[in-house]
Order: sequence, then structure tokens, then C-alpha cells
Amino acid sequence: DTAVSQTPKYLVTQMGNDKSIKCEQNLGHDTMYWYKQDSKKFLKIMFSYNNKELIINETVPNRFSPKSPDKAHLNLHINSLELGDSAVYFCASSRGGASGQPQHFGDGTRLSIL
Amino acid sequence: QKEVEQDPGPLSVPEGAIVSLNCTYSNSAFQYFMWYRQYSRKGPELLMYTYSSGNKEDGRFTAQVDKSSKYISLFIRDSQPSDSATYLCAMSSGSARQLTFGSGTQLTVLP
Repeated sequence: DTAVSQTPKYLVTQMGNDKSIKCEQNLGHDTMYWYKQDSKKFLKIMFSYNNKELIINETVPNRFSPKSPDKAHLNLHINSLELGDSAVYFCASSRGGASGQPQHFGDGTRLSIL
Repeated sequence: QKEVEQDPGPLSVPEGAIVSLNCTYSNSAFQYFMWYRQYSRKGPELLMYTYSSGNKEDGRFTAQVDKSSKYISLFIRDSQPSDSATYLCAMSSGSARQLTFGSGTQLTVLP
């Protein structure tokens, strides 16, 4: 009964390729997020959707494009992958769009660019 | 200067010790405070959630918030090897729609 699940768990690919990561949550939450965690464990917010509407769009290269087909799913497509994109990408969800709500995380997608 | 500062460690303690983990912050608008635990190759897991100043206890874990000093703490009593993980503080204001995370403290509890 995984609450927030991401696929794939590992992604190894060549520079210049295009790849997608998928996320699904079964918590009934309205808001979903994408984070990037670097090798020093720092979690950086990338995007957030509330009921399929983009509400947070941090300074991220436009090679990254999120898509939310419904409020239970949030995908991340990355074009023209670069070495610096190697990181762990976490999906999270929370109740509503209000502030202060705790977020629930998936187990991450480990992206390695060769 | 980062909005949230957290000593990255690493911190090693013997089993049974009391562990104190801390974060300082600069944004006085922060009202919601959280501690997450992250095991290796796993996602962050919510451990403690507090609103405004004060203490909250849950089993061996106690979270403290001192808004006047802009300082939050997580205490772990009777620490166990299974507590070995990275601990991340996170906080949010009443208007922001996102959490601001500390960089995490890596804790090892030695048997």
C-alpha cells in the first residue's frame, strides 16, 4: 500500500537523451511536488501542482517539464539530459494547497547521466 | 546566508545516548516546523510536526521550537542503531506554499 510511488527507481542514461519519471499518490492529496536532492542531501523544490494547476515553478531549466494529468499523478519529463542532472528526484504530496501542510515523499528516482 | 541552517555532521553516538539535532532559521514568518528522517536510498519520512513555539513529544522523540531565538531542536532519547539516518528539518510560513528544508544531519548510532 505505497502512498507515494515513483517509477523508475533507477535511471541510467546517456547525455542528450530524453527521459520521463512518473509519480502516483493514493493519499487523496490535492498537491504534488517534484524535488531534486543533490549529493549533499539538500532538497530543492522544482515544481508543485495543486489540482492539476502549476503553483510553484522554481528557477529550473526549461528542459524540465512537469505534467499532471490528474491530481493523483505528476510526471516529470527531461529533455537533452546533461551531466549536472544526475541526482535523486523525489515526488511528494500534501493535503490542499494551504501552507504548512506536511509533505509525504516517495522513495526517489536515482538518475545517473553517463 | 541560507534561510535554514543545519549542521551536516556526521554525528556518531553510542547506543542509548541522548541525541540533540538543531536548526536555526532567519525568516521570522515561519510558523510550521517539521522533522523528517531519511534512511539511505529512501525518501524523507515525516517524524514530527509542530506549529508555533513549544514542545511536542512522541515516544523517544521530542521536538522543541523557540521562535524568539529562531531555533528548533529534535531530541532522541535512548538512541538505537535503527535511528541511524539523515535528519532534515523543514519549515513553512503561513503564506508560503512550500517547505524550506535544512541540509540534513547524518546520524550514526553505534551498537
